[in-house]
Amino acid sequence: TQLLEQSPQFLSIQEGENLTVYCNSSSVFSSLQWYRQEPGEGPVLLVTVVTGGEVKKLKRLTFQFGDARKDSSLHITAAQPGDTGLYLCAVFTGGGNKLTFGTGTQLKVEL
Amino acid sequence: EPEVTQTPSHQVTQMGQEVILRCVPISNHLYFYWYRQILGQKVEFLVSFYNNEISEKSEIFDDQFSVERPDGSNFTLKIRSTKLEDSAMYFCASSAGDNSPLHFGNGTRLTVT
Repeated sequence: TQLLEQSPQFLSIQEGENLTVYCNSSSVFSSLQWYRQEPGEGPVLLVTVVTGGEVKKLKRLTFQFGDARKDSSLHITAAQPGDTGLYLCAVFTGGGNKLTFGTGTQLKVEL
Repeated sequence: EPEVTQTPSHQVTQMGQEVILRCVPISNHLYFYWYRQILGQKVEFLVSFYNNEISEKSEIFDDQFSVERPDGSNFTLKIRSTKLEDSAMYFCASSAGDNSPLHFGNGTRLTVT
């Protein structure tokens, strides 16, 4: 059983469409991070959400932390080819220096 | 902007050989990590390192693996006797403190033949 399950696993859409990806768990977390990984590169932090119900916006990306702090969503408005990549949610477990990643959503945005 | 650098970018080795993957973390960071990503799979935690010792390790990080910070700037991952299933991207990361965001390098692609 995975600590963080992401859905969908794969998503292929056309430029201009909107999409939402989900990160779910049965555990409660004090914070949750979203990273994006492009081919041939390491993951890059997009945002950290801390408060239950919190919504953060990063240009066309909107991140929400669930009220119970067990899940999170990432919504992209008017997707562009540059949004293509692997989207990973992640949480700290243990003593705060083990970052565990979710299963990932591979997004492809086509022209 | 400071970044984490990893060398080599690609390493090919024969099964049973030892490999050392090298990383230079961001200079004022205190925590160091190794992760691996088998092609098409999730990013998996291997080990975290703080104050010159391992602070956490996963079940993947068995006796074949070791880490070292030999000179205050480099952070290395050694695999003593590589297996075919060790073929993966290995990412080094560093962070400024507990629960702080991780900064990742661009990885070393290890191919074991």
